[in-house]
Amino acid sequence: DTEVTQTPKHLVMGMTNKKSLKCEQHMGHRAMYWYKQKAKKPPELMFVYSYEKLSINESVPSRFSPECPNSSLLNLHLHALQPEDSALYLCASSRGTGIGNTIYFGEGSWLTVV
Amino acid sequence: EDKVVQSPLSLVVHEGDTVTLNCSYEVTNFRSLLWYKQEKKAPTFLFMLTSSGIEKKSGRLSSILDKKELFSILNITATQTGDSAVYLCAVGYMDSNYQLIWGAGTKLIIKP
Repeated sequence: DTEVTQTPKHLVMGMTNKKSLKCEQHMGHRAMYWYKQKAKKPPELMFVYSYEKLSINESVPSRFSPECPNSSLLNLHLHALQPEDSALYLCASSRGTGIGNTIYFGEGSWLTVV
Repeated sequence: EDKVVQSPLSLVVHEGDTVTLNCSYEVTNFRSLLWYKQEKKAPTFLFMLTSSGIEKKSGRLSSILDKKELFSILNITATQTGDSAVYLCAVGYMDSNYQLIWGAGTKLIIKP
């Protein structure tokens, strides 16, 4: 079982809705990530938070808005999404920087935009 | 351009067979290579390799890295139907503390 927990596991939302994906880890990791994964493709990095500060934004549209309230929590706020945004959204964490930087994934949130 | 290439893209074998999955890479400032198993949900971490020639082993799974020839293999012996999954290879590089370059994955199907 993963120690990175994500909620909800499934979400269906309309293009005018506002929703949020939530992620929590209690491993003391200081880096947290959001990835997007489409079917039959590897994960694509969206955002990285390091020590609760946004350090990487991989040119993600502003309809995706990340938030890191504290070192254990990471949210992804969703607004005015498009059907092509439907995907598996994966949260991940790692201890931090350095050569032992293994990334551990949560089980993901399946998002469908209708 | 940095890239990670996995082969084969898909593989079908019978239970009990041994399989070898390949991951080759062309990445400047290589730092580490990671193997993940993905079933229907999130990728599950298997191994991280940083040094050449040192085999990592976990049960029926093992992996080794060759930094001279720029590849890694993942071996699974005595395969079981539960090994059916997509196996992903990812490479981390020195220029980025966080960014991984992912291979496209190998879809492994184990038939009873």
